[in-house]
Amino acid sequence: KAGVTQTPRYLIKTRGQQVTLSCSPISGHRSVSWYQQTPGQGLQFLFEYFSETQRNKGNFPGRFSGRQFSNSRSEMNVSTLELGDSALYLCASSLVRGAETQYFGPGTRLLVL
Amino acid sequence: SQQGEEDPQALSIQEGENATMNCSYKTSINNLQWYRQNSGRGLVHLILIRSNEREKHSGRLRVTLDTSKKSSSLLITASRAADTASYFCATGSNTGNQFYFGTGTSLTVIP
Repeated sequence: KAGVTQTPRYLIKTRGQQVTLSCSPISGHRSVSWYQQTPGQGLQFLFEYFSETQRNKGNFPGRFSGRQFSNSRSEMNVSTLELGDSALYLCASSLVRGAETQYFGPGTRLLVL
Repeated sequence: SQQGEEDPQALSIQEGENATMNCSYKTSINNLQWYRQNSGRGLVHLILIRSNEREKHSGRLRVTLDTSKKSSSLLITASRAADTASYFCATGSNTGNQFYFGTGTSLTVIP
């Protein structure tokens, strides 16, 4: 089975712009979670989607949003980018909600100038 | 806020030596997992230990869990240069897919 894929792998944006990141989970996995990783804050949970519905949300401002499609693919969007949004954004999928193991994609590295 | 904290933040050892890293967490958990991350890449799941387990082995990995102290340790025996990576503990509950990750231990294995 193919693993979790994320596109694009690298992205450079300027402050004020918006960005959309994409995640394709492992085939058959229905739960997708997003994390932000920065050197200072480590890995922080953004949100979780299951059956096209956001089930859980971390402590991030409303500029961060996401969605999930019927094929379980997910996108996350960050509007009005700030310098502090520069990070590695990781997507993880699991078969069902509450699964013990998540499988991570390679991440999208976003640089905001 | 983050659930887990790893200790030490960085560790440098010679190839063949054992590496031990610790994780402390704050609240009750259903399970605890360890992940490895090679520089700037995705996380790879290493091992999971449930809250009713005290020790688990997988190849060169040994994980212990002490729920009374809210702590876990990961031991990598006979380390190899390829073990150079960051290691994270993550705690999970049974209320969904929200895992809490620690800040990680950066391990360098010198050939």
